[in-house]
Amino acid sequence: SQTIHQWPATLVQPVGSPLSLECTVEGTSNPNLYWYRQAAGRGLQLLFYSVGIGQISSEVPQNLSASRPQDRQFILSSKKLLLSDSGFYLCAWSPGGNQPQHFGDGTRLSIL
Amino acid sequence: KQEVTQIPAALSVPEGENLVLNCSFTDSAIYNLQWFRQDPGKGLTSLLLIQSSQREQTSGRLNASLDKSSGRSTLYIAASQPGDSATYLCAVRPFGGTYKYIFGTGTRLKVLA
Repeated sequence: SQTIHQWPATLVQPVGSPLSLECTVEGTSNPNLYWYRQAAGRGLQLLFYSVGIGQISSEVPQNLSASRPQDRQFILSSKKLLLSDSGFYLCAWSPGGNQPQHFGDGTRLSIL
Repeated sequence: KQEVTQIPAALSVPEGENLVLNCSFTDSAIYNLQWFRQDPGKGLTSLLLIQSSQREQTSGRLNASLDKSSGRSTLYIAASQPGDSATYLCAVRPFGGTYKYIFGTGTRLKVLA
């Protein structure tokens, strides 16, 4: 069966520090991969999605970036975090077509 | 631009009650609609996916319906239990050659014992 791993679960970072969140999927190949952010009391905001290695689509201009160095690995990065980057970050995958999305457990990011 | 709305934002019901959660979307050109459950501080759990050609899907006590022409979906929960307490979100995947999903802001459900 397929599983998705996302880490770390929680992270506290100072303003201006770098960020790297990692997500990996097991038990499938060539998944569609997604990064979302969920701010308190708000819906999910799609940040990036990828349909293949090296193929990244950005949905919201900001100081975050994403990379897909391997088929089942999706990384969310920032060179300098802002206070507004605080939130709950969720990674998701889908086989594509008319198949459902499946989510990781999320990373709670707090910026001090 | 596709927009997804879920009303009410919060709902409290006594245990055992049957209930309906609503999801509205502005553009009927969709591939599918998916319902999720989110427990506090956790990721989303997929409940049901309805393809655009389908009218409804069922899983246990859950039944989701889709009326694409009117831009509405409902999630019916039968015989609610305290364990059903969570936030329920719907998401649509629009036509357009991409794999993006547009989410509603969710309905926070509390089932009282």
